[in-house]
Amino acid sequence: DIQMTQSPSSLSAFVGDRITITCRASQSISSYLNWYQQKPGKAPKLLIYAASNLQNGVPSRFSGSGSGTDFTLTISSLQPEDSATYYCQQTYSARTFGQGTKVEIK
Amino acid sequence: QVQLVQSGAEVKKPGASVKVSCKASGYTFTSYDINWVRQATGQGLEWMGWMNPNSGNAGYAPKFQGRVTMTRNTSISTAYMDLSSLRYEDTAMYYCARSAFGADSYFDYWGQGALVTVSS
Repeated sequence: DIQMTQSPSSLSAFVGDRITITCRASQSISSYLNWYQQKPGKAPKLLIYAASNLQNGVPSRFSGSGSGTDFTLTISSLQPEDSATYYCQQTYSARTFGQGTKVEIK
Repeated sequence: QVQLVQSGAEVKKPGASVKVSCKASGYTFTSYDINWVRQATGQGLEWMGWMNPNSGNAGYAPKFQGRVTMTRNTSISTAYMDLSSLRYEDTAMYYCARSAFGADSYFDYWGQGALVTVSS
């Protein structure tokens, strides 16, 4: 099974800050990596697919990069509505999610 | 518009089975896989498996092999997830999610979730 490890597990930042979340796969997954945002009581929402492609309707302050085993999700200017938990997901072999990164606004 | 509407909350006793439904609308049901993902309260997302509504083929995460069955009724565009031998630790929100076929896929639409509580 492919394991996905996210870091950090949580972070707190100011509005306007640039933040980066890292996701590492236990083996190479090419670019088969997606990112989701989940707010309390809601289903997850797709943000980024295939490592770097922005889903329709997602603000351009979100971006993704990486390939192989190391990936990042960046929010260029954190907004209050970005307070949520973020998950990476590999689809190279079966499907696996990372453990999540909780983002809070200071 | 694409919608996945799930059945309501369930309370089951340990050892029982639960069947959660996911009714699709707004797209061709047989053109996308249906995946099932669960989330215990305060915990992360856990992928359980996928089902191809066109062929009926399904694949399950090793953790759930032997306990989960994913099926569909194409005449009513509905997918089902059946989990047997329920344990207290199966208490969770269960989501269905749509994805295209193949590795380069992603879960672009999700159901609202169905809460399953296992309690004696």
